[in-house]
Amino acid sequence: EPEVTQTPSHQVTQMGQEVILRCVPISNHLYFYWYRQILGQKVEFLVSFYNNEISEKSEIFDDQFSVERPDGSNFTLKIRSTKLEDSAMYFCASKTSGRSEQYFGPGTRLTVT
Amino acid sequence: GESVGLHLPTLSVQEGDNSIINCAYSNSASDYFIWYKQESGKGPQFIIDIRSNMDKRQGQRVTVLLNKTVKHLSLQIAATQPGDSAVYFCAEFPPGGGSYIPTFGRGTSLIVHP
Repeated sequence: EPEVTQTPSHQVTQMGQEVILRCVPISNHLYFYWYRQILGQKVEFLVSFYNNEISEKSEIFDDQFSVERPDGSNFTLKIRSTKLEDSAMYFCASKTSGRSEQYFGPGTRLTVT
Repeated sequence: GESVGLHLPTLSVQEGDNSIINCAYSNSASDYFIWYKQESGKGPQFIIDIRSNMDKRQGQRVTVLLNKTVKHLSLQIAATQPGDSAVYFCAEFPPGGGSYIPTFGRGTSLIVHP
């Protein structure tokens, strides 16, 4: 069964550094998402991406964040100048079209020290 | 307004029991809802969905009930198994035709004892 994959599974970085979280969505999916989940808290929407551009973004997704689909398979989330409060699980998800189910990846645990 | 399901209660059941997990959602205009299961260290996994024009939907061993009057969702799991142990949370979606951004609850931790 196809699945969303994410790398790395755990990323440790120092405050102020830039990180890139990588995702490979399911191959025939057209819509891509990033979410985050701070430990013990709710999953929060960050951004959605369709047709090579951002469709929607939340208040969390400020200028510190950017997304890219550099080729036909990868979908990345870049966080510039990381802060301690960026420590969280980051989930990528993808779906086909319409109100269909989003498939989540296993997540990347980001730890900012 | 308040977000979906602020508290993270725990429900402990014995294997074979039926489980009922509840969720209060915030937006009376939300027209689509999903229940997710999240096992430790994993991403959310779709369980079942329901649209606002329905009040009940059944899947395999799971049933979702929607009460729009009181903005309440429930997930019923029949014959609960140890593999059902996870955090379950609901997500609400705004009315169709626009944003597909869900609002998630914090969830309920289900512990199934063998």
